[in-house]
Amino acid sequence: EAQVTQNPRYLITVTGKKLTVTCSQNMNHEYMSWYRQDPGLGLRQIYYSMNVEVTDKGDVPEGYKVSRKEKRNFPLILESPSPNQTSLYFCASSLSLGKRYTFGSGTRLTVV
Amino acid sequence: AQTVTQSQPEMSVQEAETVTLSCTYDTSESNYYLFWYKQPPSRQMILVIRQEAYKQQNATENRFSVNFQKAAKSFSLKISDSQLGDTAMYFCAFGGGAQKLVFGQGTRLTINP
Repeated sequence: EAQVTQNPRYLITVTGKKLTVTCSQNMNHEYMSWYRQDPGLGLRQIYYSMNVEVTDKGDVPEGYKVSRKEKRNFPLILESPSPNQTSLYFCASSLSLGKRYTFGSGTRLTVV
Repeated sequence: AQTVTQSQPEMSVQEAETVTLSCTYDTSESNYYLFWYKQPPSRQMILVIRQEAYKQQNATENRFSVNFQKAAKSFSLKISDSQLGDTAMYFCAFGGGAQKLVFGQGTRLTINP
């Protein structure tokens, strides 16, 4: 089954404790992206990647890091999480921009 | 920068009625894509319908159709014969030359029995 797998689905952590949210796709998509969803703001792009070793900032990159060492994986790293990063996070992939985007099932992150 | 505006934070209709969700966008690009995504309580993002800007014909998918007005930069979603399973948050999104989707704020749609 073609899918984007995100883990974990739920995470509660404390301020400053490094964490990684994993994202993996099995569709051989070149394009992958991370979004955060906040009430009243819709989804906003954090980082994206056009291919292996090619990543770039989106609209809200502060406090986040990403890497794309393999085509299928695109982890999101929060090196020192803060409460304002409490949000719902989505990973998405696509064959190319404009084509159908496939989203992961989301990660609800709470930073206390 | 592109912006997408959904002016209806919440809507509520009775089952079997027709409902239209509004979306306007702002862009200077001529080639782009527009999407409607559905997010049920399971929070999964589900593609409802996709429109390519160069196509004049409005996209349809079963009970879902759009009214795409390129000159007015409007992209509304019509849901016919609404069903309880249509209850969800709906997001309008724009995809252009920048490597991202720009989302609207969302419309929470409730279908009442």
